[in-house]
Amino acid sequence: AQSVSQHNHHVILSEAASLELGCNYSYGGTVNLFWYVQYPGQHLQLLLKYFSGDPLVKGIKGFEAEFIKSKFSFNLRKPSVQWSDTAEYFCALYSGGYQKVTFGTGTKLQVIP
Amino acid sequence: GAGVSQSPRYKVAKRGQDVALRCDPISGHVSLFWYQQALGQGPEFLTYFQNEAQLDKSGLPSDRFFAERPEGSVSTLKIQRTQQEDSAVYLCASSLSGGGGYTFGSGTRLTVV
Repeated sequence: AQSVSQHNHHVILSEAASLELGCNYSYGGTVNLFWYVQYPGQHLQLLLKYFSGDPLVKGIKGFEAEFIKSKFSFNLRKPSVQWSDTAEYFCALYSGGYQKVTFGTGTKLQVIP
Repeated sequence: GAGVSQSPRYKVAKRGQDVALRCDPISGHVSLFWYQQALGQGPEFLTYFQNEAQLDKSGLPSDRFFAERPEGSVSTLKIQRTQQEDSAVYLCASSLSGGGGYTFGSGTRLTVV
């Protein structure tokens, strides 16, 4: 089976603070990894993705994530958050073996002005 | 269309009532997925179509849930004899090919009373 764990359920930061959201996955084979974001009242949107190559991937709005295979991790980072980053963030995993995306339970980020 | 369209946006059903949820994927997208997102949880996989073929229905929680995509475009998720535990947001996603980079619709919020 494949699974995704997000350990931080709710994070509160002040504007300009740095962000790191943890994501660990469980699957023994090759994976594609994603971060999706859901802004209040909006649908899920793809923030960034890792398929292969450079383990440091950059996404929209200044977000980046690093794939560390040895740690089965794909943490999301942003050097300086803005109030508009308030949203729920989902880490997700795709494997060819299961041909479907499995999501974590999500992390709600609240940025205080 | 420009995005994945789902209807209705909201649905209130009395317990025992049958409901039908519609998904209109992006034109030309071969793969279509249904997910269920309960309050405070990440999306959970329900079923997957490639064109009109339902390749995986392992996530459907019971035989009251049925999905179809007869012409390989629009899909309908039907829930018979709804129960309170069916209350959730039902998300549809489509993609041009495999790999996991989905485009999601806004979802249908189903409330069973």
